[in-house]
This record gives sequence, C-alpha cells and structure tokens, in this order.
Amino acid sequence: AQSVAQPEDQVNVAEGNPLTVKCTYSVSGNPYLFWYVQYPNRGLQFLLKYITGDNLVKGSYGFEAEFNKSQTSFHLKKPSALVSDSALYFCAVSGGNAGNMLTFGGGTRLMVKP
Amino acid sequence: GAGVSQSPSNKVTEKGKDVELRCDPISGHTALYWYRQSLGQGLEFLIYFQGNSAPDKSGLPSDRFSAERTGGSVSTLTIQRTQQEDSAVYLCASSQPLGRQETQYFGPGTRLLVL
Repeated sequence: AQSVAQPEDQVNVAEGNPLTVKCTYSVSGNPYLFWYVQYPNRGLQFLLKYITGDNLVKGSYGFEAEFNKSQTSFHLKKPSALVSDSALYFCAVSGGNAGNMLTFGGGTRLMVKP
Repeated sequence: GAGVSQSPSNKVTEKGKDVELRCDPISGHTALYWYRQSLGQGLEFLIYFQGNSAPDKSGLPSDRFSAERTGGSVSTLTIQRTQQEDSAVYLCASSQPLGRQETQYFGPGTRLLVL
C-alpha cells in the first residue's frame, strides 16, 4: 500500500524567510506526487506536481518542490515566505498498484509571522 | 472556466437520517472522485468514477455509503442511517481521463454534521 508522511504538524517561519514543508512517500513503481494548499473553509487548491523529468518542479505562487528518489522525498519550498502563505498544506501520491486515487499525508500547518 | 461545485455547502442532520451530497465536476472531466476529510482520519479516498467503467468503491467505509454518477457528469453521494462518526467534510474532485498523473481539482466541500 502507498503512504505519505508529513513529519511536521506545524511549521513556523518569519515573513521574508525561506520555508520548507517536508514530505516523504512510499509507493511501488513510479510515483506521481502532488502538493495542495487549503485555506480555512475552502477546498484543496492545486500547487504543483511531479510526474517525470526534471526533479525540481515549479508551481503556483512561487512555490517549488524537489523530487528526490533516493530519499523518497518531495519537499515543498519557497524562497521568501508571505503572511498570505499561511494555510494547511497537503502532500499526496498516486501511482503504483493503488489506482488513480490520491493518498494524502496528514497535512502541515504553515504559519508565517510578520 | 467554472470549477467543481458541491451542494449543499453545509448540512446538519440527525443521527439515523439519510443524506445526499451533490457534486458537479468540471465540464469535460470524465474522472470524478469523492474524499472525506475528518479530524481523526485526515483525508481519505471514498470512491472513483471513470467514464462508463464500474466505479472503484474500495474506499467506502461501510455499506451505508453509496454513490452514483448520472450521465457521466453529476454525482451524488448518499449516506444512509447517518452516524455521528460520519461528521466530516466531503470533498469531490474531477480530472481529465488520462490516468493517475492527471491533476485532480477539488470542490469547496460539503460540511456534514450529524447530531
């Protein structure tokens, strides 16, 4: 079975500083990896995905993520955090033998302080 | 263009009652998914429709849960004899039909509270 781990329930960062939200995964076969963001009382909003090719993926709002096959990680990064980036972030994986559905990590709350 | 829409946005019901939740996918998306988001269980897959194929029901937690998709578009998730543990946000997503690498786009969800 595939799984996703987000080891940090919450990440705190000062505005203007770089941020990293961690994600590791387990899946048989080639993984397809996704990051979503959720603002209060809203659905999930797609940020970026890794399918194949370049390990560094760029997405919406200045976010990027690096796929590392040997470490089975897909950490989300941003060079300079904004207060408006404060939200709940989910890493997800599809692929392997589990079909097309997404398996999500538990989520990481990002708090950016002015 | 229009995104995924869900109705109602909020639903309060009494234990034992049946509820129906509706999802309108993005036009042209033949793949449709239902997920549940709850405090204790996080985000869980429930059911997946792809075109005219038989749905993947492997995530449904009990036989009280069912879903159908009419005309390849609108989907309804039905929960019979609701229990308090069914309280959660039910999220619908849709995607292009090309497979697991396709991005799933989510609706705003239906927040269900079972009293």
